[in-house]
Amino acid sequence: DAGVTQSPTHLIKTRGQQVTLRCSPKSGHDTVSWYQQALGQGPQFIFQYYEEEERQRGNFPDRFSGHQFPNYSSELNVNALLLGDSALYLCASSQTIGVLGTQETQYFGPGTRLLVL
Amino acid sequence: AQSVTQLDSQVPVFEEAPVELRCNYSSSVSVYLFWYVQYPNQGLQLLLKYLSGSTLVKGINGFEAEFNKSQTSFHLRKPSVHISDTAEYFCAVSSNTGGFKTIFGAGTRLFVKA
Repeated sequence: DAGVTQSPTHLIKTRGQQVTLRCSPKSGHDTVSWYQQALGQGPQFIFQYYEEEERQRGNFPDRFSGHQFPNYSSELNVNALLLGDSALYLCASSQTIGVLGTQETQYFGPGTRLLVL
Repeated sequence: AQSVTQLDSQVPVFEEAPVELRCNYSSSVSVYLFWYVQYPNQGLQLLLKYLSGSTLVKGINGFEAEFNKSQTSFHLRKPSVHISDTAEYFCAVSSNTGGFKTIFGAGTRLFVKA
């Protein structure tokens, strides 16, 4: 059973460019969350996708957008890259349970390390 | 709003000694609590989790944690550490009443010395 997979593993871009990161969730999971982890810090929640819609968003600008596909995989897009967007981007998958949308446990992928020059 | 405070940014300890990594949280709703470990240049691996029930939770690699609701703490312990336990450890909290995001602490760097 494959866990959460992310691609690419590493990426180098220049300021102003756009980037797309990809994530495939763990088998049986229907919910994907994205996190940004800057060097020396804990992960920061970007947003979460469920049923192909963004259902919660953290404190990130509109330059950060995403998409979820019918097979539950997801993409994170970042436009107009800034130097400060350099970070490890983590995808986490989980299963939404019940009418309240509770999730018990998230499983993380290995991350995509983005360097903006 | 929820928050997590990891009280130590770095914890140096000798091999085979016990260790405790401290975590306090604040939340106005009931929570799930987690500890994750991150080895260099890798993603996060779940060590253990508290969802409900027994307040003493056992995880992988000999780690355990105790949920203390009155002190809003979830400290991580291991009775005897190994060199291979050197890593970054993150405490995290999420709501069990429908909130969707997980809040992470800033991390504690555990450094095990020979």
